[in-house]
Amino acid sequence: EVQVLESGGGLVQPGGSLRLSCAASGFTFSSYVMSWVRQPPGKGLEWVSGISGGGDTTSYADSVKGRFIISRDNSKNTLYLQMSSLRAEDTAVYYCVKASSVWGQGTTVTVSS
Amino acid sequence: DIVMTQTPLSSPVTLGQPASISCRSSQSLVHSGGNTYLSWLQQRPGQPPRLLIYKISNRFSGVPDRFSGSGAGTDFTLKISRVEAEDVGVYYCMQTTQFPYTFGQGTKLEIK
Repeated sequence: EVQVLESGGGLVQPGGSLRLSCAASGFTFSSYVMSWVRQPPGKGLEWVSGISGGGDTTSYADSVKGRFIISRDNSKNTLYLQMSSLRAEDTAVYYCVKASSVWGQGTTVTVSS
Repeated sequence: DIVMTQTPLSSPVTLGQPASISCRSSQSLVHSGGNTYLSWLQQRPGQPPRLLIYKISNRFSGVPDRFSGSGAGTDFTLKISRVEAEDVGVYYCMQTTQFPYTFGQGTKLEIK
């Protein structure tokens, strides 16, 4: 079964850091662009960051550029999102996504003092 | 960045009647390789998004055939031939033709 499973969310203070992970299974991980998408409470979907299959190309939404870093370990079928200088507006459910086709259940990040 | 604009933002529909959602992109979604990477997603209340349609008109695995997609270039449409109660939720178009990927604002489908 093709699936992705996020972990690493939690409560963090403004200015803090957090690393999200996404374990993938059931498909050839290294062949696919992977993305992080977030959804603030009661709001729509926002694409956060994406990375090519080989990891050589990355892209970020302007709202997180310079603060978040996406990476992947194809030997472990795992996607990461290193988040730093977190702000209240980063509070959201974060989804790991294979292309546009496979979505995880999400992990919740809450930035609050 | 490519801006995706959906209309309407809210769609009250009678059970058994059709529904239609439009999505317009600020520039062509035709990739250099020839494909158009426009997807439609459904998000039911309390659930993660789910892919319905990819590359404009291809139904994803397990998606009922009452869902169909059409369009080209910058104008796209999702149609539900006969709305059922389980179709309630928010529908998003999404482009994955180029980074940064972008979403429409979402269209809330509700039953009259």
